[in-house]
Amino acid sequence: KNEVEQSPQNLTAQEGEFITINCSYSVGISALHWLQQHPGGGIVSLFMLSSGKKKHGRLIATINIQEKHSSLHITASHPRDSAVYICAALENQGGKLIFGQGTELSVKP
Amino acid sequence: GAVVSQHPSWVICKSGTSVKIECRSLDFQATTMFWYRQFPKQSLMLMATSNEGSKATYEQGVEKDKFLINHASLTLSTLTVTSAHPEDSSFYICRTPRGSTEAFFGQGTRLTVV
Repeated sequence: KNEVEQSPQNLTAQEGEFITINCSYSVGISALHWLQQHPGGGIVSLFMLSSGKKKHGRLIATINIQEKHSSLHITASHPRDSAVYICAALENQGGKLIFGQGTELSVKP
Repeated sequence: GAVVSQHPSWVICKSGTSVKIECRSLDFQATTMFWYRQFPKQSLMLMATSNEGSKATYEQGVEKDKFLINHASLTLSTLTVTSAHPEDSSFYICRTPRGSTEAFFGQGTRLTVV
């Protein structure tokens, strides 16, 4: 079992739909990152969470430390949101990032 | 703007040649740089961790003589793929932490060995 598990692995949505991507982790963390990777490969950091909830535009990220679970929500999804979304847990010990498998999102017009 | 600048963004090289990839931290000192490799449809895999002024630490299974890492200054870390082969074709990306929780990625380098 991976230390960071994401679901779903693939997601197709219609433009305008509300999207949720889930992430569960089993290690002790100091922070959890949500990353976006476009087809060209470049990675953009969307959120860094250590508790609670953060919002940026149409994106919302939440984390429940006790349950070791985080979610990324996209409201009013748009085709330009199509990308791979990756959650990554920053380990307490050693500062290594442990990556989930990624969720490939495709938003159709 | 970018916090970490990685170059080149893509490179095609002949089998047997060496390729150098650079990651520069902008506006802050990067004492640590993590280097990752990503094959298609797979997650990022940590190759090595470099610390300024000391030898890099390589993950199990990564050949240190093939993937040379240099971190001679606080703003520059380099990864050199020596004697590249087609199986080294991959996406390489660097990351540096800032503080205890922030993570900044380079733009990545897509290497194709022909």
